[in-house]
Amino acid sequence: DIQMTQSPSSLSASVGDRVTITCQASHDIDNHLSWYQQKPGKPPKLLIYAASYLEEGVPSRFTGSDSEAGFSLTIDSLQPEDFATYYCQQYDDLPLTFGGGTRVDI
Amino acid sequence: QVHLQESGPGLVKPSETLSLLCSVSGGAVKNYDKYWGWVRQPPGKGLEWIGSIYYTGTTFFAPSLRTRVNISLDTSENTFSLTLTSVTAADTAVYYCVRQGIVVVPAYLEVWGTGTTVSVSS
Repeated sequence: DIQMTQSPSSLSASVGDRVTITCQASHDIDNHLSWYQQKPGKPPKLLIYAASYLEEGVPSRFTGSDSEAGFSLTIDSLQPEDFATYYCQQYDDLPLTFGGGTRVDI
Repeated sequence: QVHLQESGPGLVKPSETLSLLCSVSGGAVKNYDKYWGWVRQPPGKGLEWIGSIYYTGTTFFAPSLRTRVNISLDTSENTFSLTLTSVTAADTAVYYCVRQGIVVVPAYLEVWGTGTTVSVSS
């Protein structure tokens, strides 16, 4: 199985901050990575797929990138509605696997 | 706009079979470029992929659940189903049905149901 290591597991931020979450895969997954946002009591919501493609309707303050250091999700100018838990997921190979999640709170 | 809705019992006894139905509206399950799947989330924990099905009936399952799980699809009813046998307390979770894109294998989870909570307890 491909292991997805997400960091940090939690972070505190303020409205207007720039926040970056990283995700590393145990094997090469090309750009086969997606990011999700989950709010309490709600299903996850797809934000980004193919590492950097923004899902329709997702605000442009969310950016996904891929570098030698791994994959990143950046939120520019954090808004009140962005406080949530974020997950990465690889779909390069089965079984599909997720990162452990990053909780973003105030 | 596609909408997915899970249904099924909220309480299952240990060793029995969990059965859930996902009703799809706003789009057909007989779709050449989508997979349909199930994901679960134990209380306070992360996400776990259970398995996925293509409209042809081709299925893929998580190795950890393969001996206990099945997913089927009904194109006439526009639904797909999950069965999980011999359940234990470790199967207590919120279960989500999802629509997935395809990139060689079932890929990102682009549409999610609202989720249904299943507790395993006597």
